[in-house]
Order: sequence, then C-alpha cells, then structure tokens
Amino acid sequence: DIVMTQSPLSLSVTLGQPASISCRSSQSLVHSDGNTFLSWFQQRPGQSPRRLIYKVSNRDSGVPDRFSGSGSGTDFTLKISRVEAEDVAVYYCMQGADWPSWTFGQGTKVEIK
Amino acid sequence: EVQLVESGGGLVQPGGSLRLSCAASGFTFTDYTMHWVRQAPGKGLEYVSAIDPDGGNTYYANFVKDRFTISRDNSKNTLYLQMGSLRADDMAVYYCVRHDGWGSYDSWGQGILVTVSS
Repeated sequence: DIVMTQSPLSLSVTLGQPASISCRSSQSLVHSDGNTFLSWFQQRPGQSPRRLIYKVSNRDSGVPDRFSGSGSGTDFTLKISRVEAEDVAVYYCMQGADWPSWTFGQGTKVEIK
Repeated sequence: EVQLVESGGGLVQPGGSLRLSCAASGFTFTDYTMHWVRQAPGKGLEYVSAIDPDGGNTYYANFVKDRFTISRDNSKNTLYLQMGSLRADDMAVYYCVRHDGWGSYDSWGQGILVTVSS
C-alpha cells in the first residue's frame, strides 16, 4: 500500500495567519491516465470528513478560496491563507491512485493559538 | 442534495456479527462505486471495502477479508456491510462514502458507531 505521511501532526496558528500542511506519498500518485489523485479532507470536531480539494488543486464547491492545494508526484501541500476560527479541525490527505487500496495520511490537527 | 444515512451499528460481543446499512438519496445510486471507510476512536481514517455500481466486483482491505462482506441493493438505493468475527480493533465509526469516479470521495454519511466489547 502507498503510505501517506503528513507533517506537522499538530499546528497552532494565530487567527488571520497562514498555515501549511505537507503530505508525502511513498510512491508517485500520478495515475496511468495522467491525473494525480491526491485529495484533502477537513474533519471538524464531532463531524464527518468533508472534502476540500481533489486532484491536487481543485477546490470543491463551497470551499473558501483561502484553502489551496499544490504539489506533484509525491509531495503535496495544503495551505490556508488566513486561518479563521471555523478552520479548527483535523486535515487529512488521501491518495486515490492505488485502486482500491486508497490510503490516508495520519491527520494534522489545526488549532488556534 | 446527496444524502447517505448509515444505520445498524451498536454494541456487539467479540466474535459476533453486525450488518450496517446505508440509505442513499439525492443522486443516481447505480452510477457510483460505493465504499465503507472507518475511524477508530481518536484515530485516523481507513478504507474498509468498496463495491462497483452493479455490485459485480467487490474489494476489501486485507484486515477485513473473509470476515466482512459488502453488498448493495440498487432497487432500494442501499449499501450494506455484513461484519463477522468482530474483534476489539474493529471498533470504530463506519462511514458510507461515495466514490466520485476520479480517485476521491465526494460525499460522506454521518457515520455509525460499532462497539465491540464483552
């Protein structure tokens, strides 16, 4: 299975400041069709996960534009340009390149300083 | 609006069985591969099983092979997970999840808790 490694595992950010989460995969996530299947999910306390980003950098409908995804191959990043109180959550990256054994990172907990 | 509503969770003894259901609405169920993903208390997310739109192909994580069976009834827009030989490490919230067809999950249910304890 592809191993997904996130860092840091915990992040304390001042309101209005940026935040960045790294995700590395043990193998390239470039599919044979040329797409790169890396997604980001947000899980607020007590809620189900919600997808923010798919195929590295595509934001889902309704996701604020302060969230952005980037990267290629095996290295990916989720950035929050200005953290708001509602962004307190655990963030997971996930690879969908290795069907059907999709795997998630360990999660990064974002809290307000 | 896409809705995925799980049911059937609860307390079961080690070695016991349980069947989870997921009622889908708001989309054409037969167009989508469906998955189960679980989350142990305080832990991360873990793929469990998947099933093709017509139910013809099923897939399992190694840790549930030969113990769990995924199925679907397209006439009822319902996904199932039959769980057997349950162990303490199967205790988790189980989510019904829609595969978007592009290597990702675009919709999640609210989750259902399975507790394995004597």
